[in-house]
Amino acid sequence: NAGVMQNPRHLVRRRGQEARLRCSPMKGHSHVYWYRQLPEEGLKFMVYLQKENIIDESGMPKERFSAEFPKEGPSILRIQQVVRGDSAAYFCATTPGLAYTDTQYFGPGTRLTVL
Amino acid sequence: QKEVEQNSGPLSVPEGAIASLNCTYSDRGSQSFFWYRQYSGKSPELIMSIYSNGDKEDGRFTAQLNKASQYVSLLIRDSQPSDSATYLCAGKGSGNTGKLIFGQGTTLQVKP
Repeated sequence: NAGVMQNPRHLVRRRGQEARLRCSPMKGHSHVYWYRQLPEEGLKFMVYLQKENIIDESGMPKERFSAEFPKEGPSILRIQQVVRGDSAAYFCATTPGLAYTDTQYFGPGTRLTVL
Repeated sequence: QKEVEQNSGPLSVPEGAIASLNCTYSDRGSQSFFWYRQYSGKSPELIMSIYSNGDKEDGRFTAQLNKASQYVSLLIRDSQPSDSATYLCAGKGSGNTGKLIFGQGTTLQVKP
């Protein structure tokens, strides 16, 4: 996870509140992927973004979840009206391109707890 | 059918032994595969990547890929207690978005 930054590292929300998770890519990386890891489960792809564009959101829940990667600033994963089932670790991973050899490097993650 | 499958374990080996971790995948179009190590409460850390059939060695780690059998493995030689972690196998999907499809992970325990 060299250079990929996520904040906050831990986030506690009450049911119905909003959660905003931020991801700053490694220098030179313009592709951002968000993954979710539910307790005792594997990592699941959520969304893939490039600057100002959502490329693939096939893993994103249809409601309450949104993502963006503006021209300036970090990528943001937003969860509205959180529920207890949203409690999980959310990781972003970044990569410089789409070559099959390009490796994704993970940030430290945001651990969301919904009370 | 899961796209990437791993035995969840735990796999227990004595210190100094060889640990063998296995993974199968269903997407024949996948070209690249990755092994990540994840310690409890931490983020995945890349161990090995492999793209071609055969073996790839890096220190104590050897990754093996057999595209005909749709099989990927990771061998850890001279296992150390510090290798105790969950090992995640991931394949890059055959679509053009580069997303990773992960197995559920294998927990490795190396006993002193």
